[in-house]
Amino acid sequence: DAKTTQPPSMDCAEGRAANLPCNHSTISGNEYVYWYRQIHSQGPQYIIHGLKNNETNEMASLIITEDRKSSTLILPHATLRDTAVYYCIAPDNTDKLIFGTGTRLQVFP
Amino acid sequence: DAGVTQSPTHLIKTRGQQVTLRCSPKSGHDTVSWYQQALGQGPQFIFQYYEEEERQRGNFPDRFSGHQFPNYSSELNVNALLLGDSALYLCASRQFVGSGTYNEQFFGPGTRLTVL
Repeated sequence: DAKTTQPPSMDCAEGRAANLPCNHSTISGNEYVYWYRQIHSQGPQYIIHGLKNNETNEMASLIITEDRKSSTLILPHATLRDTAVYYCIAPDNTDKLIFGTGTRLQVFP
Repeated sequence: DAGVTQSPTHLIKTRGQQVTLRCSPKSGHDTVSWYQQALGQGPQFIFQYYEEEERQRGNFPDRFSGHQFPNYSSELNVNALLLGDSALYLCASRQFVGSGTYNEQFFGPGTRLTVL
């Protein structure tokens, strides 16, 4: 598995875009980048995944650099309910997710 | 659709005891994985079950065992409990679609195990 590095914590004002970075410099050519989040007292929730093209869904956008060594998860209009721990994962085995300690995002009013 | 359900929600045991945790996967899902999440850490993969067999295993001792039933539900058993086994135990399910295709894993709310 590619090792991922995320900042331990970030703050974001409600209504603003939250940009969560992730470094995965050892990612191999066929490893996807996945993002999950875990709201307090709940199990992790899938957000989005991508290989090399930018991806967007109803929850977020994922921007992957051309060299694939880093990516950014974007929550376009953060709400208080987006306060959670966000995990960036680059597994070689999608059935065996390797979670790090993630980024604790605090959205404030 | 109830999603992934787990029971019990909380459990207190003493060292040396045995515990069984239960998981019902999301409707239509046939693959179940178990994770252990210590306080302040990310979830750690324990093992995965598909077609009633353990298919993959993480770095956990044999004290951790499991089972999958014909209805796809699953149990996690931990023998000879240690204080360090205190954690949130998460169950995740997905529908197996073969290699090369990604189906997201859906996680349950977890069982909080405290070992005294």
